[in-house]
Amino acid sequence: EVQLMESGGGLVQPGGSLRLSCAASGFSFITYDMHWVRQAAGEGLEWVSAIDTAGKTFYAGSVKGRFTISRENAKNSFYLQMNSLRAGDTAVYYCARGLGSKLDVWGKGTTVTVSS
Amino acid sequence: DIQMTQSPSSLSASVGDRVTITCRASQSISNYLNWYQQKPGKAPKFLIYDVSNLQSGVPSRFSGSGSGTDFTLTISCLQPEDSATYYCQQGYSTPLTFGGGTKVEIK
Repeated sequence: EVQLMESGGGLVQPGGSLRLSCAASGFSFITYDMHWVRQAAGEGLEWVSAIDTAGKTFYAGSVKGRFTISRENAKNSFYLQMNSLRAGDTAVYYCARGLGSKLDVWGKGTTVTVSS
Repeated sequence: DIQMTQSPSSLSASVGDRVTITCRASQSISNYLNWYQQKPGKAPKFLIYDVSNLQSGVPSRFSGSGSGTDFTLTISCLQPEDSATYYCQQGYSTPLTFGGGTKVEIK
């Protein structure tokens, strides 16, 4: 079964850091682009970042310079290092598999809360 | 960035009704338009890709159409399980962007 599972969410103070992980199973991880999408409570979906099969990275303007996406193909995993966190980063963070820019498989999400 | 505008933001319809949701892009996105369905407390589900192609397992009552900047998602015969929020998404360029969502409720 194709699955994605996020971990690493939690409560962090403004200015703090957090590292999200996404573990993939049931498919050939190295052949897919991978994405992070977030959703604040009661709000819509916001694309955050992506990493392609060659390791090229892409970011939303709102997180560029603060967040870093990476992947570890040997572990079928990818990550989102989040630094200088702000209240506006509070959201459920989903990892998703990318068929190019089509997000065809999603994890269940992990919650990040930035608050003092 | 390409802005995606959905309308209406919400609608209420009866079982068996035909429902249409509109999505407009701020510039031409060719056929790089996808649709997702999200139920409360759940992750989005991939519904339709490249305007009109149904993802495997999606009921045939769902369809998509359009080109360039204007697109539609149609549910031909609304079912109770279709109660959800629907999002369009452009895949033409990064940053990928989503519409604001359309909440579909059953009367």
